Amino acid sequence: KQEVTQIPAALSVPEGENLVLNCSFTDSAIYNLQWFRQDPGKGLTSLLLIQSSQREQTSGRLNASLDKSSGRSTLYIAASQPGDSATYLCAVGVKGGSEKLVFGKGTKLTVNP
Amino acid sequence: SAVISQKPSRDICQRGTSLTIQCQVDSQVTMMFWYRQQPGQSLTLIATANQGSEATYESGFVIDKFPISRPNLTFSTLTVSNMSPEDSSIYLCSVRTGVEAFFGQGTRLTVV
Repeated sequence: KQEVTQIPAALSVPEGENLVLNCSFTDSAIYNLQWFRQDPGKGLTSLLLIQSSQREQTSGRLNASLDKSSGRSTLYIAASQPGDSATYLCAVGVKGGSEKLVFGKGTKLTVNP
Repeated sequence: SAVISQKPSRDICQRGTSLTIQCQVDSQVTMMFWYRQQPGQSLTLIATANQGSEATYESGFVIDKFPISRPNLTFSTLTVSNMSPEDSSIYLCSVRTGVEAFFGQGTRLTVV
């Protein structure tokens, strides 16, 4: 059974700091990994998608890496801003018939002005 | 990408009643997914809804408790039946375009 763990559960940083969020998964048989952002009372916003054959993806100040063999992914946020404050969720796409995503519990990020 | 609209955005319901959540997508999709996010927990897939066939439920979820309709390629409903306080959660609808998943804004349900 695939399990996804995100560390830390919460993180508070001053504005402008570079930071790394971690995600680990127990079964390397994934077909992709997706990072989402969730704002309070809102749904999920897709940030980055990494296919199983890829090592990293970049979008603006965000960079996500994937090491399938070790079951790890990191989300790097450069020059953090107060608007980056949200919960960041990691989800792995599980191979099989249901095409479902298995989520971690998330990292709650607070960027202080 | 896909734009997903969910209704209602939130509701407070009495135990023993039922609530139907609607999900509308701006494009035709083969599969629609319903997730539950309990307080402090990760999202868990409830079921996958295909147009023209019965939904496929994940372990721990049953059709009598969470009946799903999928009348066409852009719309689905999830009903939470005979609610108890343990059903208080955020319920989210999701679709895939290509390999990327997109989510609605969720329905925050509180059962009292």
